[in-house]
Amino acid sequence: NAGVTQTPKFRVLKTGQSMTLLCAQDMNHEYMYWYRQDPGMGLRLIHYSVGEGTTAKGEVPDGYNVSRLKKQNFLLGLESAAPSQTSVYFCASSYEGWEPQHFGDGTRLSIL
Amino acid sequence: DAKTTQPNSMESNEEEPVHLPCNHSTISGTDYIHWYRQLPSQGPEYVIHGLTSNVNNRMASLAIAEDRKSSTLILHRATLRDAAVYYCILMAPYGRFGAGTRLTVKP
Repeated sequence: NAGVTQTPKFRVLKTGQSMTLLCAQDMNHEYMYWYRQDPGMGLRLIHYSVGEGTTAKGEVPDGYNVSRLKKQNFLLGLESAAPSQTSVYFCASSYEGWEPQHFGDGTRLSIL
Repeated sequence: DAKTTQPNSMESNEEEPVHLPCNHSTISGTDYIHWYRQLPSQGPEYVIHGLTSNVNNRMASLAIAEDRKSSTLILHRATLRDAAVYYCILMAPYGRFGAGTRLTVKP
């Protein structure tokens, strides 16, 4: 049982490049979330999904897009990376919105 | 989404109980109170959650005030492995993590 798996674990991009972060969960969870965490700060919600085919904006959605084509996968896209998006990105999932969230190990993204 | 307030840091001695407070005066009736902790260079880890009644699990206890405007996470016997940042969040269906409380455990 892998839980929540994030790929890649590390990535370095140049300003203006695009990339997609993948989150996969094998727990049949309905809800999935993308967060970012900057040094010394708490997590901030970027986007979330309450089921396959649905997405919604969180606290800091600008510059990011998401898709949930399959229930087990939640993709986070950066169309034109900026240095301000350098951060650690965490994905999480839960059965229902009020249920415990299970987190992945994070993706460290640096944008030069 | 409602906001929570936690102390920036707390210290505890090993094998002593720790009470981590959280204020959430604007909580609504459908907000669940969640606690997570985060060790350095790791993702957050679920600790405990509740709605109105006190809750116990193998990791900790959660005491919820009768008016639900505050809660306390109780670690019954702190160990060095409990040193982490603890977050109190109101979930409905998502919540704000805030800066949390950094718990230091002294041997």
